Amino acid sequence: EDKVVQSPLSLVVHEGDTVTLNCSYEVTNFRSLLWYKQEKKAPTFLFMLTSSGIEKKSGRLSSILDKKELFSILNITATQTGDSAIYLCAPSNFNKFYFGSGTKLNVKP
Amino acid sequence: DAGVIQSPRHEVTEMGQEVTLRCKPISGHNSLFWYRQTMMRGLELLIYFNNNVPIDDSGMPEDRFSAKMPNASFSTLKIQPSEPRDSAVYFCASTNNRLTDTQYFGPGTRLTVL
Repeated sequence: EDKVVQSPLSLVVHEGDTVTLNCSYEVTNFRSLLWYKQEKKAPTFLFMLTSSGIEKKSGRLSSILDKKELFSILNITATQTGDSAIYLCAPSNFNKFYFGSGTKLNVKP
Repeated sequence: DAGVIQSPRHEVTEMGQEVTLRCKPISGHNSLFWYRQTMMRGLELLIYFNNNVPIDDSGMPEDRFSAKMPNASFSTLKIQPSEPRDSAVYFCASTNNRLTDTQYFGPGTRLTVL
Protein backbone atom coordinates (compact mmCIF):
# COMPACT_ATOMS: atom_id res chain seq x y z
CA GLU A 1 0.00 0.00 0.00
CA ASP A 2 1.35 3.40 -0.96
CA LYS A 3 1.98 5.71 1.97
CA VAL A 4 3.63 8.95 3.04
CA VAL A 5 4.82 9.84 6.54
CA GLN A 6 5.88 13.32 7.51
CA SER A 7 7.69 14.23 10.69
CA PRO A 8 7.52 15.96 13.00
CA LEU A 9 3.78 16.57 13.00
CA SER A 10 4.33 19.99 14.51
CA LEU A 11 7.25 22.17 15.39
CA VAL A 12 7.66 25.43 17.30
CA VAL A 13 10.84 27.44 16.79
CA HIS A 14 12.05 31.01 17.19
CA GLU A 15 12.99 33.38 14.43
CA GLY A 16 16.47 32.71 13.16
CA ASP A 17 16.40 29.00 13.91
CA THR A 18 17.04 26.37 11.23
CA VAL A 19 14.49 23.59 10.78
CA THR A 20 14.51 20.28 8.95
CA LEU A 21 11.26 18.67 7.88
CA ASN A 22 11.15 15.00 6.92
CA CYS A 23 9.11 13.03 4.43
CA SER A 24 9.39 9.27 3.99
CA TYR A 25 7.40 7.44 1.37
CA GLU A 26 6.53 4.12 -0.18
CA VAL A 27 5.06 4.65 -3.63
CA THR A 28 5.09 2.16 -6.45
CA ASN A 29 6.39 3.45 -9.78
CA PHE A 30 7.70 6.58 -8.10
CA ARG A 31 8.05 9.53 -10.46
CA SER A 32 8.65 12.67 -8.41
CA LEU A 33 8.16 14.28 -5.02
CA LEU A 34 6.67 17.71 -4.50
CA TRP A 35 6.78 20.04 -1.51
CA TYR A 36 4.02 22.56 -0.84
CA LYS A 37 3.49 25.32 1.69
CA GLN A 38 -0.02 25.90 2.94
CA GLU A 39 -0.96 28.90 5.00
CA LYS A 40 -4.61 29.79 5.37
CA LYS A 41 -5.53 29.10 1.80
CA ALA A 42 -4.59 26.73 -1.00
CA PRO A 43 -1.23 24.94 -1.11
CA THR A 44 1.48 26.73 -3.03
CA PHE A 45 4.21 24.89 -4.87
CA LEU A 46 7.77 24.96 -3.45
CA PHE A 47 9.88 22.25 -5.11
CA MET A 48 9.69 19.28 -7.40
CA LEU A 49 12.35 16.61 -6.93
CA THR A 50 13.01 13.78 -9.35
CA SER A 51 16.66 12.85 -8.91
CA SER A 52 18.54 11.69 -5.84
CA GLY A 53 21.21 13.85 -4.31
CA ILE A 54 20.50 17.04 -6.24
CA GLU A 55 19.65 19.88 -3.90
CA LYS A 56 17.03 22.38 -4.96
CA LYS A 57 17.27 25.84 -3.42
CA SER A 58 15.02 28.84 -3.28
CA GLY A 59 16.24 31.55 -0.96
CA ARG A 60 16.31 30.20 2.57
CA LEU A 61 14.57 26.96 1.57
CA SER A 62 16.26 23.90 0.19
CA SER A 63 15.26 20.32 -0.40
CA ILE A 64 16.86 17.04 -1.37
CA LEU A 65 15.64 13.58 -2.30
CA ASP A 66 17.07 10.14 -1.52
CA LYS A 67 15.42 7.59 -3.81
CA LYS A 68 17.36 4.70 -2.33
CA GLU A 69 16.27 5.35 1.24
CA LEU A 70 12.87 6.70 0.12
CA PHE A 71 12.86 10.04 1.87
CA SER A 72 13.14 13.74 1.32
CA ILE A 73 13.98 16.65 3.59
CA LEU A 74 13.04 20.29 3.45
CA ASN A 75 15.38 22.73 5.19
CA ILE A 76 14.54 26.27 6.17
CA THR A 77 17.38 28.43 7.45
CA ALA A 78 17.07 31.70 9.37
CA THR A 79 13.35 31.12 9.86
CA GLN A 80 10.95 34.06 9.87
CA THR A 81 7.42 34.38 11.22
CA GLY A 82 6.20 34.31 7.62
CA ASP A 83 7.44 30.74 7.34
CA SER A 84 4.70 29.64 9.74
CA ALA A 85 2.54 27.24 7.75
CA ILE A 86 1.81 23.60 7.12
CA TYR A 87 4.36 21.98 4.85
CA LEU A 88 3.10 19.12 2.73
CA CYS A 89 5.08 16.58 0.77
CA ALA A 90 3.50 14.65 -2.08
CA PRO A 91 5.28 11.82 -3.86
CA SER A 92 3.73 10.83 -7.14
CA ASN A 93 3.67 7.89 -9.50
CA PHE A 94 2.36 8.00 -13.02
CA ASN A 95 -1.25 8.11 -11.88
CA LYS A 96 -1.62 10.22 -8.79
CA PHE A 97 -0.13 12.22 -5.97
CA TYR A 98 -0.05 11.06 -2.35
CA PHE A 99 -0.18 13.85 0.19
CA GLY A 100 1.27 13.46 3.67
CA SER A 101 -0.52 14.83 6.71
CA GLY A 102 1.93 17.70 6.82
CA THR A 103 4.24 19.34 9.33
CA LYS A 104 2.81 22.36 11.09
CA LEU A 105 5.58 24.90 11.63
CA ASN A 106 5.12 27.78 14.04
CA VAL A 107 7.88 30.40 14.05
CA LYS A 108 7.72 32.70 17.05
CA PRO A 109 9.24 36.19 17.03
CA ASP B 1 -2.58 33.44 -16.62
CA ALA B 2 -5.71 33.37 -14.44
CA GLY B 3 -4.78 30.21 -12.59
CA VAL B 4 -7.26 27.57 -11.54
CA ILE B 5 -10.69 29.09 -10.96
CA GLN B 6 -13.21 27.62 -8.54
CA SER B 7 -16.74 28.64 -7.73
CA PRO B 8 -18.40 29.31 -5.46
CA ARG B 9 -15.77 30.32 -2.93
CA HIS B 10 -18.13 29.69 -0.04
CA GLU B 11 -21.27 27.58 0.11
CA VAL B 12 -23.62 27.12 3.04
CA THR B 13 -26.44 24.67 2.58
CA GLU B 14 -28.79 22.50 4.55
CA MET B 15 -28.52 18.77 4.95
CA GLY B 16 -30.18 16.93 2.10
CA GLN B 17 -29.64 19.63 -0.49
CA GLU B 18 -27.68 19.14 -3.70
CA VAL B 19 -24.35 20.95 -3.93
CA THR B 20 -22.39 21.57 -7.13
CA LEU B 21 -18.82 22.81 -7.07
CA ARG B 22 -17.18 24.09 -10.24
CA CYS B 23 -13.63 24.24 -11.51
CA LYS B 24 -11.91 25.74 -14.52
CA PRO B 25 -8.36 24.39 -14.89
CA ILE B 26 -5.44 26.32 -16.30
CA SER B 27 -5.67 26.47 -20.08
CA GLY B 28 -3.57 23.75 -21.70
CA HIS B 29 -3.44 21.53 -18.62
CA ASN B 30 -4.57 17.98 -19.29
CA SER B 31 -4.98 16.60 -15.77
CA LEU B 32 -7.44 17.72 -13.13
CA PHE B 33 -7.74 16.69 -9.50
CA TRP B 34 -10.44 17.19 -6.87
CA TYR B 35 -9.31 17.21 -3.24
CA ARG B 36 -11.08 17.57 0.08
CA GLN B 37 -9.39 18.99 3.15
CA THR B 38 -10.53 18.78 6.76
CA MET B 39 -8.77 19.25 10.04
CA MET B 40 -9.32 15.62 10.95
CA ARG B 41 -8.27 13.93 7.71
CA GLY B 42 -5.97 16.44 6.06
CA LEU B 43 -5.81 16.64 2.28
CA GLU B 44 -7.50 13.76 0.47
CA LEU B 45 -7.57 13.07 -3.25
CA LEU B 46 -11.15 12.38 -4.35
CA ILE B 47 -10.86 11.87 -8.11
CA TYR B 48 -8.41 12.48 -10.92
CA PHE B 49 -9.09 13.13 -14.62
CA ASN B 50 -6.63 12.84 -17.47
CA ASN B 51 -7.68 14.26 -20.85
CA ASN B 52 -11.24 14.62 -19.47
CA VAL B 53 -11.47 10.92 -18.59
CA PRO B 54 -11.81 9.84 -14.94
CA ILE B 55 -8.74 7.75 -14.15
CA ASP B 56 -9.08 7.03 -10.45
CA ASP B 57 -12.14 7.74 -8.33
CA SER B 58 -11.18 5.46 -5.46
CA GLY B 59 -11.07 8.44 -3.13
CA MET B 60 -14.70 9.40 -3.69
CA PRO B 61 -16.35 8.79 -0.30
CA GLU B 62 -19.60 7.22 -1.46
CA ASP B 63 -22.28 7.28 -4.12
CA ARG B 64 -23.51 10.67 -3.00
CA PHE B 65 -20.41 12.14 -4.66
CA SER B 66 -20.03 12.39 -8.42
CA ALA B 67 -17.67 14.30 -10.70
CA LYS B 68 -17.72 15.14 -14.38
CA MET B 69 -15.41 16.76 -16.84
CA PRO B 70 -17.41 17.42 -20.03
CA ASN B 71 -14.53 19.28 -21.68
CA ALA B 72 -10.95 20.36 -21.08
CA SER B 73 -11.92 23.64 -19.48
CA PHE B 74 -14.60 22.67 -16.98
CA SER B 75 -15.27 20.17 -14.23
CA THR B 76 -17.94 19.75 -11.57
CA LEU B 77 -18.10 17.92 -8.27
CA LYS B 78 -21.61 17.19 -7.10
CA ILE B 79 -22.84 16.01 -3.70
CA GLN B 80 -26.42 14.76 -3.54
CA PRO B 81 -27.75 14.63 -0.88
CA SER B 82 -25.31 16.60 1.22
CA GLU B 83 -24.61 15.75 4.87
CA PRO B 84 -22.96 17.74 7.69
CA ARG B 85 -19.88 15.47 7.54
CA ASP B 86 -19.27 16.73 3.98
CA SER B 87 -18.32 20.12 5.40
CA ALA B 88 -14.77 20.80 4.24
CA VAL B 89 -12.69 22.85 1.86
CA TYR B 90 -12.75 21.37 -1.63
CA PHE B 91 -9.79 22.12 -3.85
CA CYS B 92 -9.41 21.65 -7.56
CA ALA B 93 -5.90 21.40 -9.01
CA SER B 94 -4.56 21.02 -12.52
CA THR B 95 -1.31 20.00 -14.10
CA ASN B 96 0.19 19.51 -17.50
CA ASN B 97 1.87 16.21 -16.92
CA ARG B 98 3.31 16.14 -20.38
CA LEU B 99 5.85 18.66 -19.16
CA THR B 100 5.94 18.76 -15.40
CA ASP B 101 4.39 17.24 -12.31
CA THR B 102 3.72 20.56 -10.63
CA GLN B 103 0.09 20.88 -9.53
CA TYR B 104 -1.53 24.28 -9.36
CA PHE B 105 -4.33 24.59 -6.85
CA GLY B 106 -7.41 26.73 -7.06
CA PRO B 107 -8.45 28.89 -4.10
CA GLY B 108 -10.88 26.24 -2.86
CA THR B 109 -14.57 26.15 -2.01
CA ARG B 110 -15.43 26.18 1.67
CA LEU B 111 -18.56 24.06 2.06
CA THR B 112 -20.67 24.12 5.21
CA VAL B 113 -23.58 21.72 5.47
CA LEU B 114 -25.91 22.54 8.34
